[in-house]
Amino acid sequence: GEDVEQSLFLSVREGDSSVINCTYTDSSSTYLYWYKQEPGAGLQLLTYIFSNMDMKQDQRLTVLLNKKDKHLSLRIADTQTGDSAIYFCAEWGGSYIPTFGRGTSLIVHP
Amino acid sequence: SQTIHQWPATLVQPVGSPLSLECTVEGTSNPNLYWYRQAAGRGLQLLFYSVGIGQISSEVPQNLSASRPQDRQFILSSKKLLLSDSGFYLCAWSPGTGNTGELFFGEGSRLTVL
Repeated sequence: GEDVEQSLFLSVREGDSSVINCTYTDSSSTYLYWYKQEPGAGLQLLTYIFSNMDMKQDQRLTVLLNKKDKHLSLRIADTQTGDSAIYFCAEWGGSYIPTFGRGTSLIVHP
Repeated sequence: SQTIHQWPATLVQPVGSPLSLECTVEGTSNPNLYWYRQAAGRGLQLLFYSVGIGQISSEVPQNLSASRPQDRQFILSSKKLLLSDSGFYLCAWSPGTGNTGELFFGEGSRLTVL
């Protein structure tokens, strides 16, 4: 079945850029998503990219998609302590159920 | 606008007791509904999803069950809780038509089984 992989932890210093990476296996993925989960809360959609796009920028967030390598990344510029959270990558290929990665815990040090 | 509510937010239950978590969606019709579990430090595990009233698909065999008695109501139940049922339970919905794979999550219910 489909699989989404992401590293479990990332530690950065406040003010630096963070890059969270994700790989997926489903070649029919149509939409790819990044969700943010703050402690004790549900997931909230951060941004998404359609499969025919290479890049999407939204304020401090940049999403890069390499469809050939099935690689997705989320770059957060000028990372702040409020960005500390778990970030989930997800892909959707047209079924009822998107496939989620296990989440990357981003730790931002002052 | 659409909203999703789930309750209770926190629950502490003894082993062997029953469970009922409830989730309701407002502002949309015929949504797809989901129950996920998130164990400590781990990813999301899909437990059940529903595409309509009375239609429940189970993804993982366990002592939990789900029901959808109304279009926008999704209930997660257990007759006898196990220690391993502890975790963070998330309800989510997606549009029944025009679905693009985006899920809208509730705030979660923290269950501790002692």
